[in-house]
Amino acid sequence: NAGVTQTPKFRILKIGQSMTLQCTQDMNHNYMYWYRQDPGMGLKLIYYSVGAGITDKGEVPNGYNVSRSTTEDFPLRLELAAPSQTSVYFCASGRDGRVNSPLHFGNGTRLTVT
Amino acid sequence: GENVEQHPSTLSVQEGDSAVIKCTYSDSASNYFPWYKQELGKRPQLIIDIRSNVGEKKDQRIAVTLNKTAKHFSLHITETQPEDSAVYFCAAEGDTGRRALTFGSGTRLQVQP
Repeated sequence: NAGVTQTPKFRILKIGQSMTLQCTQDMNHNYMYWYRQDPGMGLKLIYYSVGAGITDKGEVPNGYNVSRSTTEDFPLRLELAAPSQTSVYFCASGRDGRVNSPLHFGNGTRLTVT
Repeated sequence: GENVEQHPSTLSVQEGDSAVIKCTYSDSASNYFPWYKQELGKRPQLIIDIRSNVGEKKDQRIAVTLNKTAKHFSLHITETQPEDSAVYFCAAEGDTGRRALTFGSGTRLQVQP
């Protein structure tokens, strides 16, 4: 199993540009999450999904959108990039059933908005 | 929603000493408390977790304790080694509502050889 795969690893955007961060997992997990990690800080939840076709906002959803058309994929869309969105973005997934299951993280996408 | 506070933000110990990191949470319904280790430039990885029906759990040099009444839990690392140097995050997850982890702000542990 590849686990959770994120692309790209690095990206530089200009203010106002748009991009999609890709995330895919091959563990057949229903639960998927997007977190952002600012320098020296913890992880903040942006959006999450409990299954295909179901998404919900986390703590910091403004400026982002998600979709979950398949179990495997959970892309994160930035429509109008702003410097405040400079961060490292982690996608994660967890198995079915009870919420008490370990999260599997991707390697992250380092995004800089200038 | 859940709020998790973590202390200290940085911790420096000598190799072989013990390290303790503490977290408090706000939602009394939370029942799952994992700890993640993140090495520089890497993804967070689970090192140990505890559920609300357990007061303590140990895995070799790492242990976690939970006090549900006081709503706090702690990570204990004994006989620290240089490879323990990393950022450690605590987290909490509830049984209802948002089914996702809320993370603390992290503790940077430096083990001096």
